[in-house]
Amino acid sequence: GIQVEQSPPDLILQEGANSTLRCNFSDSVNNLQWFHQNPWGQLINLFYIPSGTKQNGRLSATTVATERYSLLYISSSQTTDSGVYFCAVELNDYKLSFGAGTTVTVRA
Amino acid sequence: KAGVTQTPRYLIKTRGQQVTLSCSPISGHRSVSWYQQTPGQGLQFLFEYFSETQRNKGNFPGRFSGRQFSNSRSEMNVSTLELGDSALYLCASSEVGQTAFFGQGTRLTVV
Repeated sequence: GIQVEQSPPDLILQEGANSTLRCNFSDSVNNLQWFHQNPWGQLINLFYIPSGTKQNGRLSATTVATERYSLLYISSSQTTDSGVYFCAVELNDYKLSFGAGTTVTVRA
Repeated sequence: KAGVTQTPRYLIKTRGQQVTLSCSPISGHRSVSWYQQTPGQGLQFLFEYFSETQRNKGNFPGRFSGRQFSNSRSEMNVSTLELGDSALYLCASSEVGQTAFFGQGTRLTVV
């Protein structure tokens, strides 16, 4: 099956700092999504981004499909940005394959 | 629009029992999929349903089953529960080829 690798596994930031999370995948994909898992376990959609660049407030994402990677940028981080960030990809098989996640801790 | 609703939120069962989890998708979404999340294995795909048909199934034993009703609501069942089935079970719904939206999950503990 497709391999999805996220880096770094853990990230500790000071409030106000910027950061970049990376997702590499091993095959061409139809769909790529970024999620933030809240403390109660729910996966919150951040971006649906099989290719190109999108921005939503302090977050932005870029997927370079031809090179099989995606980046999630967090700018001016806040303590509420803490949590686990997941990248998930879909081939043409109706299922999302998730990376292991990046655990982000933002300190005040 | 209401989000994806999963019930119950928490469940404690004894080894050997069976359990049924429910998922109500976002109105208009016909695709419903299920995932299991554990600390050791991460997020793993269980199955996906579209218009009452299972289109894909993950690598789980036959004790794990599911179904989808004509109103797109879905249930998953786990029979003969084992300690290793303790996990967060997440349901997602989507329109065809679009963003998947997840529910809050059902946290199952098997004792």
